[in-house]
Amino acid sequence: AQKVTQAQTEISVVEKEDVTLDCVYETRDTTYYLFWYKQPPSGELVFLIRRNSFDEQNEISGRYSWNFQKSTSSFNFTITASQVVDSAVYFCALSVAGGTSYGKLTFGQGTILTVHP
Amino acid sequence: EAQVTQNPRYLITVTGKKLTVTCSQNMNHEYMSWYRQDPGLGLRQIYYSMNVEVTDKGDVPEGYKVSRKEKRNFPLILESPSPNQTSLYFCASKLSGTSGRNEQFFGPGTRLTVL
Repeated sequence: AQKVTQAQTEISVVEKEDVTLDCVYETRDTTYYLFWYKQPPSGELVFLIRRNSFDEQNEISGRYSWNFQKSTSSFNFTITASQVVDSAVYFCALSVAGGTSYGKLTFGQGTILTVHP
Repeated sequence: EAQVTQNPRYLITVTGKKLTVTCSQNMNHEYMSWYRQDPGLGLRQIYYSMNVEVTDKGDVPEGYKVSRKEKRNFPLILESPSPNQTSLYFCASKLSGTSGRNEQFFGPGTRLTVL
């Protein structure tokens, strides 16, 4: 079975601060995929990124960056120079390649990020 | 526009009154699923469907039914809703259920309150 843990329930920062959201995962599968989703106050789920288990290259997209480390089973998400519009709930999720999970996304509990002006 | 639609977006009902939440996708995806979101628990899968007429239970199926008679539609049925089914529900679809790599597309969510 798969498990995703986001230990930070809530984070509060002031605008322009950098913030890192932690994600730790558990799986026995050797091929898996990790995702981050953003849920703004309006409620929809916005896809941010997908990483494959065999690609540990870190990724940067504007103010967003992701650090994938298989050795620690972590897939952390950093927002640089946070803005009020970054306030949202962020979910980390895991999917494995086939097997009995059949495409299921296993989500972490979510981290509520509040960015104050 | 490629999308997953859900209806209704908001629903308040009473215990025991049967209801259906519809879900439709226009991307010709084989795989569709339902999730519920509860505070502190993230999203949990209720049911999924690999293709037409193929459905199976997810992690929290009790009290729910689904059907997949057409590829584009995957309704969620609560035959006798109870207050513990008050939640935010998401329908999702992806190209194939046998690959974990495909991104899942989520609907806008249905906020259900059972009194």
